[in-house]
Amino acid sequence: QVQLVQSGAEVEKPGASVKVSCEASGISFAASYIHWVRQAPGQGLEWMGWINPNSGSTNYAQKFQGWVAMTWDTSISSANLELKRLKSGDTAVYYCAADGGSGSFDYWGQGTPVTVSS
Amino acid sequence: IVMTQSPASLSVSPGERVTLSCRASRSVFNSVAWYQQKPGQAPRLLIYGASTRATGIPARFSGSGSGTDFTLTINSLQSEDCAVYYCQQYNDWSFGQGTKLEIK
Repeated sequence: QVQLVQSGAEVEKPGASVKVSCEASGISFAASYIHWVRQAPGQGLEWMGWINPNSGSTNYAQKFQGWVAMTWDTSISSANLELKRLKSGDTAVYYCAADGGSGSFDYWGQGTPVTVSS
Repeated sequence: IVMTQSPASLSVSPGERVTLSCRASRSVFNSVAWYQQKPGQAPRLLIYGASTRATGIPARFSGSGSGTDFTLTINSLQSEDCAVYYCQQYNDWSFGQGTKLEIK
């Protein structure tokens, strides 16, 4: 049974950084990347990028290059998303998702709300 | 690749059939998925490869299309189908803006 369990809600001030984690179990990382998707309040889904758990290689959407970092902790099978220099517009729910063989996002974490407010 | 969904919202009676549309700005072959998202929940994969139902998805959900034009059809609409539906192409993983489906 595949599970993606994310860390809890975060509240940060503008300019700060935040790290969101996604602990994965029951999934074959040989064929599955971990993707990150965000959803601002009342808005649609926005793909941010992926990390390959086997190699640690990453691919970021152009919008997020330079201020987002995705890493993989092999010891606990956890993907991490770090957001730097936060702005109020980064207030959103952040989801991790994984491909289970379909090519798309078969599995999703429960989402982590991040609020950026002074 | 820009994915454009239509309509933005619609209201349909239970038991009816509804068709949602998604257009890609250039050909994505059949690399399209559809997701259902209910309030407060993560999205759920419905369709991948443009027409293959994901595990556990009822047969009243079907997808079609290739190239740039895709549709999601829901037959015999039920109250629990009230949700926002997103298409996604997985060449560079961009999503459409969503279609909000309400049940009359």
